[in-house]
Amino acid sequence: KNQVEQSPQSLIILEGKNCTLQCNYTVSPFSNLRWYKQDTGRGPVSLTIMTFSENTKSNGRYTATLDADTKQSSLHITASQLSDSASYICVVSPFSGGYNKLIFGAGTRLAVHP
Amino acid sequence: AAGVIQSPRHLIKEKRETATLKCYPIPRHDTVYWYQQGPGQDPQFLISFYEKMQSDKGSIPDRFSAQQFSDYHSELNMSSLELGDSALYFCASSLYQRTSGRALDGELFFGEGSRLTVL
Repeated sequence: KNQVEQSPQSLIILEGKNCTLQCNYTVSPFSNLRWYKQDTGRGPVSLTIMTFSENTKSNGRYTATLDADTKQSSLHITASQLSDSASYICVVSPFSGGYNKLIFGAGTRLAVHP
Repeated sequence: AAGVIQSPRHLIKEKRETATLKCYPIPRHDTVYWYQQGPGQDPQFLISFYEKMQSDKGSIPDRFSAQQFSDYHSELNMSSLELGDSALYFCASSLYQRTSGRALDGELFFGEGSRLTVL
C-alpha cells in the first residue's frame, strides 16, 4: 500500500470551475506536506508547503488544507485556467531524514477544458 | 528570480556510451539533490550534496557518479548507459535550515529536468 495516495487519478473540468484534489497519507511521524504542480516533461513546481501544525496555506488560486489527525490533505483550485492543466503531486516528508526520504504520491492529472 | 538550471534539457545516447548532466542550483543554496523519474513513475532519489560533500545516497547505480564543485554546481556522470537509464533526471536545490538543524523544512526547488534517451 502506498504511503501517499492521491485521488482522483485524473480529472477533467471546464475553465473557470473549481476543483479539489485529495491526498491521504500514512507516513508518521511526518515533518511537512507539499503540493507540487508538474507539467508534462517539466520539473515540479512548488505550490505549498505545510508543517504538521498548519491547517491551511494559500498561494494565489491554490489553497491547501491539512488535517494531521485524519492524515488528509486537499488542494483546492479556484477559477481554473487552461494553464492549470498539469499533474498535481502530493509529497510528504517523514520526520527523520532529508529530501532523500521524500515520499511522492502518484499525482492527479488535471485537464482544464475551454 | 533565478531558478535551478539544468543542462542539457535533452540528450540522446547509444547503449554503453557515457553522459554528463549538469545542475546549477539557485544562488546561495547549499544543497543539491538528484532524482530520476522514469515514464509514469515517481521521482527516485539518487544522491545529494551539502556544501560540496556527498550527504546521502539513494538508488544510484554504481555506473553513475556525481559531485558538487566549488561554485556549488553539480554534475551527474553516467557510464555504460543502458536502455533502462532513459528517464527524466531532476536536480533540486535548497538552503539548509540552520535554525531547525534540518534541511527538510525548507523549500525544495526543482529544475526543469534533463531528458535522457538511450537507444
